[in-house]
Amino acid sequence: DAGVTQSPTHLIKTRGQHVTLRCSPISGHKSVSWYQQVLGQGPQFIFQYYEKEERGRGNFPDRFSARQFPNYSSELNVNALLLGDSALYLCASSLAGLQSYEQYFGPGTRLTVT
Amino acid sequence: LAKTTQPISMDSYEGQEVNITCSHNNIATNDYITWYQQFPSQGPRFIIQGYKTKVTNEVASLFIPADRKSSTLSLPRVSLSDTAVYYCLVGDLPMDSNYQLIWGAGTKLIIKP
Repeated sequence: DAGVTQSPTHLIKTRGQHVTLRCSPISGHKSVSWYQQVLGQGPQFIFQYYEKEERGRGNFPDRFSARQFPNYSSELNVNALLLGDSALYLCASSLAGLQSYEQYFGPGTRLTVT
Repeated sequence: LAKTTQPISMDSYEGQEVNITCSHNNIATNDYITWYQQFPSQGPRFIIQGYKTKVTNEVASLFIPADRKSSTLSLPRVSLSDTAVYYCLVGDLPMDSNYQLIWGAGTKLIIKP
């Protein structure tokens, strides 16, 4: 069975640019969450989507946005990139929505902003 | 916001039992406690989840006291491949109902031969 997939695996952007990261959940999973992980730190929650609706949002600026499509895949968009946005961006899927923490993570997208 | 506190690092030896404790004083009534394992350059991997008392699966046990203000992940007979960062996760439902998932800083576990 295919796990969570993310694309691209690596990305280099310059300050001020926009980036779109993509995630495909495990088949049958309806919840997708996005996390930012800076080297040496734990994942920081960005968004959770369940059944195509936003169910949770972390303390990130409005430059960060996301959406979930009818097939439950998801995109994370970041506008006006800053150097501090350089991080590993993780996507996780799960069967249930709120109160479910058994998530399956993808390998992540390594974003470097120069 | 609910926070978790874990030791920054621990080390042990192959074949030993390792216990990692997480403190979560402000855990909400309906929240579960979940532990993840993460190897370098990989996404975290679910280990175990529980609400109260004790939960056991094929890789670990989770002990949660009655007040639920802490939890202990127990790894039996560790091997070198258990060297990783272990995260304790609890949910948070602050007054504005903005649902957030808060991860602890993680415990870097090093297993020595």
